[in-house]
Amino acid sequence: DAKTTQPTSMDCAEGRAANLPCNHSTISGNEYVYWYRQIHSQGPQYIIHGLKNNETNEMASLIITEDRKSSTLILPHATLRDTAVYYCIVRRGGATNKLIFGTGTLLAVQP
Amino acid sequence: DVKVTQSSRYLVKRTGEKVFLECVQDMDHENMFWYRQDPGLGLRLIYFSYDVKMKEKGDIPEGYSVSREKKERFSLILESASTNQTSMYLCASHRPGRNNEKLFFGSGTQLSVL
Repeated sequence: DAKTTQPTSMDCAEGRAANLPCNHSTISGNEYVYWYRQIHSQGPQYIIHGLKNNETNEMASLIITEDRKSSTLILPHATLRDTAVYYCIVRRGGATNKLIFGTGTLLAVQP
Repeated sequence: DVKVTQSSRYLVKRTGEKVFLECVQDMDHENMFWYRQDPGLGLRLIYFSYDVKMKEKGDIPEGYSVSREKKERFSLILESASTNQTSMYLCASHRPGRNNEKLFFGSGTQLSVL
């Protein structure tokens, strides 16, 4: 599976958009990009995933560059409850599923 | 929504004890996973199971074993607990499918081995 690179930490003002970047320059054509987040003292929670098109759901938007070598997770109006560690993971689709979590980005939403 | 329940939120054991961590999911998922999480290291996969009585080693299986006698239950066993197994343990479940890579996690068990 392709390796991902994320900043260790980021700050965002409450009510503003939070843009979390992820580099995955070695991604192959059949690998998806997944985002999870982990709020303190809880298990990770799925946010969104995509292959090459941009995706949006009730939690966030995922923008994948045309060459697929990087992506950005966007939380459109960050709240204090969005403070968490965000994990970007690249994984081939299929029946067996060993998602490999790195150390992620700690997003701190400031009041 | 899927519920993944881990039997204990906090657990304190002594070195050398046999420890059982239990995980139950209520959505008939085929795949179940055990991860451990340590500061600065992220989540690391210990074992996973893709069916009853089936198991595969993850990245750090040493010192652990697992049991999956029923589809809904996946147990992690520390045969002889050691202090370096003090960690947060997270269980997850998943239904395999080509475009269905969503893992559901429990709240975790913080294990302290003294």
